Amino acid sequence: QAQLVQSGAEMKKPGASVRVSCKTSGYIFTGYYINWVRQAPGQGLEWMGRIDPSSGDTHFAEKFQGRVAMTTDTSISAYMELTGLRFDDTAVYYCARGYLGACDIWGQGTLVTVSS
Amino acid sequence: DIQMTQSPSSLSASVGDRVTITCRASQTVGLFLNWYQHKSGKAPELLIYTVNSLQTGVPSRFRGGGSGPDFTLTITSLQPEDVATYYCQQTYSIPHTFGQGTKVELK
Repeated sequence: QAQLVQSGAEMKKPGASVRVSCKTSGYIFTGYYINWVRQAPGQGLEWMGRIDPSSGDTHFAEKFQGRVAMTTDTSISAYMELTGLRFDDTAVYYCARGYLGACDIWGQGTLVTVSS
Repeated sequence: DIQMTQSPSSLSASVGDRVTITCRASQTVGLFLNWYQHKSGKAPELLIYTVNSLQTGVPSRFRGGGSGPDFTLTITSLQPEDVATYYCQQTYSIPHTFGQGTKVELK
């Protein structure tokens, strides 16, 4: 059964960077995109970008360009790194498998708190 | 960017009611329109993909429909476990924007 398991909660200071991991199992990793979506407190879902694990190609929402990196390794894990953290980056970050254009399987979410 | 506008922002209905949520796209999205259910404290779950395809394991009371620019998610008989926030998402063009969400509560 396909599954995505994310790394644990993080607390960071403004200006720092955070790296969230997403370990996959139960399916062929290179056959599906990995999307990253976040939800700030009291807000809706926000699509950040995606990576094609077979090629490493990435696409990002413009608001994150220059601050986000998405990578993969060892054919089972994906990573999202966000730099220059601001207070409004406090959110739950999700990885989600892309299938037929949709996000069909989601990680459990990782809370990133930016606080001084 | 394609803007996705959901209506209503929230609704209250009784068990057994038929509930319909609408999502309007600012530009064409073809058939690349998906619906998600998001319960508090949990990860979102895919309900419907490509306008009207029911994701495996999702109860048949959830139905997607419509054609550009207006799409609908209908719950034919609301159940207590359907209390959640529902989001549409277009994956026709990057960025893959979500609607702002519709919160469904029990009356």
